[in-house]
Amino acid sequence: QLQLQESGPGLVKPSETLSLTCTVSGGSISSNNYYWGWVRQPPGKGLEWIGRMFYSGATYYNPSLRGRVTMSVDTSKNQFSLKLSSVTAADTAVYYCARSHSSPYMDVWGKGTTVTVSS
Amino acid sequence: QSVLTQPPSVSGAPGQRVTISCTGSSSNIGAGYDVHWYQQFPGTAPKLLIYTNSNRPSGVPDRFSGSKSGTSASLAITGLQAEDEADYYCQSYDTSLNSPVFGGGTKLTVL
Repeated sequence: QLQLQESGPGLVKPSETLSLTCTVSGGSISSNNYYWGWVRQPPGKGLEWIGRMFYSGATYYNPSLRGRVTMSVDTSKNQFSLKLSSVTAADTAVYYCARSHSSPYMDVWGKGTTVTVSS
Repeated sequence: QSVLTQPPSVSGAPGQRVTISCTGSSSNIGAGYDVHWYQQFPGTAPKLLIYTNSNRPSGVPDRFSGSKSGTSASLAITGLQAEDEADYYCQSYDTSLNSPVFGGGTKLTVL
């Protein structure tokens, strides 16, 4: 059974870079059938698509975050990562990693990790 | 403000049928892009409920159904149960934004 688990600091200072990793277990990240993505949810608000990537390294980002977002993959560790630079309080949210299809619905989700941006 | 508009809340009594609308435009649903639906309970990750307009993943009861027409889509829940009380989100792709997008979410209350 495929499982995803987010990890990373729960507190990030303003203007610094948020870094999260998603570890995939129960299946290979190196699949030609899926993408691997990130979604976030600010407190009390709705879902926001951040981006997704293919195991080959091809990336697709939310234009509203472009320039601040970088995603990468480590196939040897079956992990993919998210970096969001120059964070502000508006980036405080629960961050989810998920497996994405081309359509692009997400059918397997991590439990989410809370990231707070504060000095 | 999302490009996919959902009612903030809907409610229904146990056993009733409720629908949640997702209204888009010619740059997303109306352009032919698929609509997907998620269910989210407080403090938990979203769960895929309907994919590609009307398909249910394994394990999702057939009380849940999805449809799409023109620039809108709908999620219908029949035989409403207390356990259905949750937030529901639609998702599609928008060509103007060049990005997948979510609706603002709808809170379902079972009376």
